[in-house]
Amino acid sequence: ETGVTQSPTHLIKTRGQQVTLRCSSQSGHNTVSWYQQALGQGPQFIFQYYREEENGRGNFPPRFSGLQFPNYSSELNVNALELDDSALYLCASSSNTDTQYFGPGTRLTVL
Amino acid sequence: AQTVTQSQPEMSVQEAETVTLSCTYDTSESNYYLFWYKQPPSRQMILVIRQEAYKQQNATENRFSVNFQKAAKSFSLKISDSQLGDTAMYFCAFMNLNSGNTPLVFGKGTRLSVIA
Repeated sequence: ETGVTQSPTHLIKTRGQQVTLRCSSQSGHNTVSWYQQALGQGPQFIFQYYREEENGRGNFPPRFSGLQFPNYSSELNVNALELDDSALYLCASSSNTDTQYFGPGTRLTVL
Repeated sequence: AQTVTQSQPEMSVQEAETVTLSCTYDTSESNYYLFWYKQPPSRQMILVIRQEAYKQQNATENRFSVNFQKAAKSFSLKISDSQLGDTAMYFCAFMNLNSGNTPLVFGKGTRLSVIA
């Protein structure tokens, strides 16, 4: 059984650019959730996708958007990057409302 | 809205000793899960233990156990026979099962150092 994977591991962008982060869910899971973790903080919920539909969103602006594909993998897109977007981005997969299992994260640095 | 509070920013414990990490939460919901996740310096968030709110029995996983006090909205984690590999950030998290989606609400974490 393959666990949750994320790519890339690290990413450096400049302010105003756009970025796409990718997540492959664990085998058998149909739900993907994305979290932003600032340095020294707990993760904050961005949004959740269930069977290719957005199924809940946290307090993040519309420039944070996502997709889920038929194989339940997912993308997080961030437009017009700001310095405060620098963080660890975590993806978690689950089967419906069950326990969420996390990937290793993508460290995004915005200069 | 639910909130999770971890009042101990940092803790340390001697190898082989026992340590308890505290967590309180606030909710008006009746159907929920509580979790402890561990995040070592490698930064991957790893599930430690899960507690279903409808279960009175405290969850255990090998050296890890919880003290779930539903009325007090308290959910502490006990680590027995601490090992150097237990050094990590520990996050308490809440999941409401009554909503249409299931985001995790995390506390700010407790940094645990196990000392040889």
